[in-house]
Amino acid sequence: DVVMTQSPLSLPVTLGQPASISCRSSQSLVHSDGNIYLNWFQQRPGQSPRRLIYKISNRDSGVPDRFSGSGSGTDFTLKINRVEAEDVGVYYCMQGTHWPYTFGQGTKLEIK
Amino acid sequence: EVQLVESGGGLIQPGGSLRLSCAVSGFTVSSNYMIWVRQAPGKGLEWVSFIDSGGSTYYADSVKGRFTISRDNSENTLYLQMNSLRAEDTALYYCARAYWRSLDYWGQGTLVTVSS
Repeated sequence: DVVMTQSPLSLPVTLGQPASISCRSSQSLVHSDGNIYLNWFQQRPGQSPRRLIYKISNRDSGVPDRFSGSGSGTDFTLKINRVEAEDVGVYYCMQGTHWPYTFGQGTKLEIK
Repeated sequence: EVQLVESGGGLIQPGGSLRLSCAVSGFTVSSNYMIWVRQAPGKGLEWVSFIDSGGSTYYADSVKGRFTISRDNSENTLYLQMNSLRAEDTALYYCARAYWRSLDYWGQGTLVTVSS
């Protein structure tokens, strides 16, 4: 199975400051169709996971544009331009290129 | 509007059985790939079982032979039959739609606690 490794696992951030989460895969996530199926999910306290980004950098409807995704091959990044209080929660990357789909361990974002 | 509503969780003794349901509105379960994902208390996300639109099923090694995924087309509902439950199956179980190699819609989850 593809191992997804996130860092950091804990991310204290001051309100209004940027935040960045790294996700690395144990093998290339380039699918035979040429796409890279790397997703980011946000799980706020007490809530279900919510998809933020799919195929590296495509934001879901309703996701603020302060969230952005980037990367290629095996290295991917989720960035938040200016952290707001509602961004507190755990962020997961997930690869859908190889079966079975696998998740990163999660990064807990908290306000300093 | 798309909604996925799980039910059927509860407290069960080791070795017992439970059937989880995921009632879907807003899309047709049988035309989509569906997945069960679980989250142990304080832990991360782990896929449990998957069914594709053709009815082929897949299971994580940890549940193979004990869990069965199925769907009822007339009820537009996804199920997870869980037998021989163990303490390590204790988790919040989510159903989700697997669309274009991503999980775009999730339910609110149903809690399964395996304990004597």
